[in-house]
Amino acid sequence: SQQGEEDPQALSIQEGENATMNCSYKTSINNLQWYRQNSGRGLVHLILIRSNEREKHSGRLRVTLDTSKKSSSLLITASRAADTASYFCATHTWGAGGTSYGKLTFGQGTILTVHP
Amino acid sequence: DGGITQSPKYLFRKEGQNVTLSCEQNLNHDAMYWYRQDPGQGLRLIYYSQIVNDFQKGDIAEGYSVSREKKESFPLTVTSAQKNPTAFYLCASTKDRGVSVAFFGQGTRLTVV
Repeated sequence: SQQGEEDPQALSIQEGENATMNCSYKTSINNLQWYRQNSGRGLVHLILIRSNEREKHSGRLRVTLDTSKKSSSLLITASRAADTASYFCATHTWGAGGTSYGKLTFGQGTILTVHP
Repeated sequence: DGGITQSPKYLFRKEGQNVTLSCEQNLNHDAMYWYRQDPGQGLRLIYYSQIVNDFQKGDIAEGYSVSREKKESFPLTVTSAQKNPTAFYLCASTKDRGVSVAFFGQGTRLTVV
């Protein structure tokens, strides 16, 4: 089962506009991460927010985390055509059975298209 | 350059065959992961390993097997028991078993012919 559910599934905007993607999850987490995937390629890490943090910035990226609502959002400001990609949230949790193994679980992703 | 290498990039399998996907990392990372991605879908966890000679089942382990005999290598075998193996397979690693960022390979696209 997927830990993260993302919304919207697809987003189409014009260059210069802001893009907001949301992620909801089901269980307690250690941290939440956002990744980007260009078509047919591997994923690239964008930003990590820990469970005791509420907001984090990195360049044009802003991530928020609300652990009471089990949700996160990724905001990309002043979008560019090069931002066109799929964006995934991933939650880091401890594995089952009382082990100390960390487990990284991904959502379904949001396909972002930025038109020049 | 440090990174994760997956091979081959494309793989074709006949029905009833077992095939093995390679994943090698030179990042000195402890943990390694295998994910499956279907068209337009997210990533689903197949297996993960935090240390050598140990691994855990993910959400969709049936029909797959792995080994972790060396820290830098985590091969995935897609067995004939996996009824719908056509997908994009991604390998990833993290520095340790705790809080850390995942580095991904470029993926292997497996097609059943």
